Amino acid sequence: QQQVKQSPQSLIVQKGGISIINCAYENTAFDYFPWYQQFPGKGPALLIAIRPDVSEKKEGRFTISFNKSAKQFSLHIMDSQPGDSATYFCAASKNTGNQFYFGTGTSLTVIP
Amino acid sequence: DGGITQSPKYLFRKEGQNVTLSCEQNLNHDAMYWYRQDPGQGLRLIYYSQIVNDFQKGDIAEGYSVSREKKESFPLTVTSAQKNPTAFYLCASSIRGSPTDTQYFGPGTRLTVL
Repeated sequence: QQQVKQSPQSLIVQKGGISIINCAYENTAFDYFPWYQQFPGKGPALLIAIRPDVSEKKEGRFTISFNKSAKQFSLHIMDSQPGDSATYFCAASKNTGNQFYFGTGTSLTVIP
Repeated sequence: DGGITQSPKYLFRKEGQNVTLSCEQNLNHDAMYWYRQDPGQGLRLIYYSQIVNDFQKGDIAEGYSVSREKKESFPLTVTSAQKNPTAFYLCASSIRGSPTDTQYFGPGTRLTVL
């Protein structure tokens, strides 16, 4: 059973546009939500992460929005660039556990 | 230059053969992980280890085995019992294995069963 549900599966955005990827979870014990970025043929790398005590975290063009009551969080990429074209994974973990639960991934293509 | 190395990058195996994937890290991290990545399914945890000579099963451990004899090494063996072994395998490490520690991933090994 998928612990973290991610959508859309793929996304095409024009250069300069906003890319939005959504994730949802059910387990209220989750309290850490990272996003990873993966380029083809490479391993994922941490992009940005958030704890549920804040509703938003911004790092450069990347913003996580977190809605604790809805058990949803999303990644917004502002001013999307062709170099942002990659697969993005959301994930969740709980402070009593040892592992991340990853979403199924979103393949983002930014068209010049 | 610190990081995680996985070898080989591509691996081909005949059905019925066991194969071992290498993972080495020089980050001095305590925890190491093995994930399997399939299209449309994200990353699924196979095994993880938080200390030498100890490891735990993840969500899809059947048909796989691991060892952790050294802190820097965490090899994964894909046995003939694994029904669908063709996949992209990723090794990762983190400082302590805490659920908020960043996981650092290697470049992956693509295994194809012929």
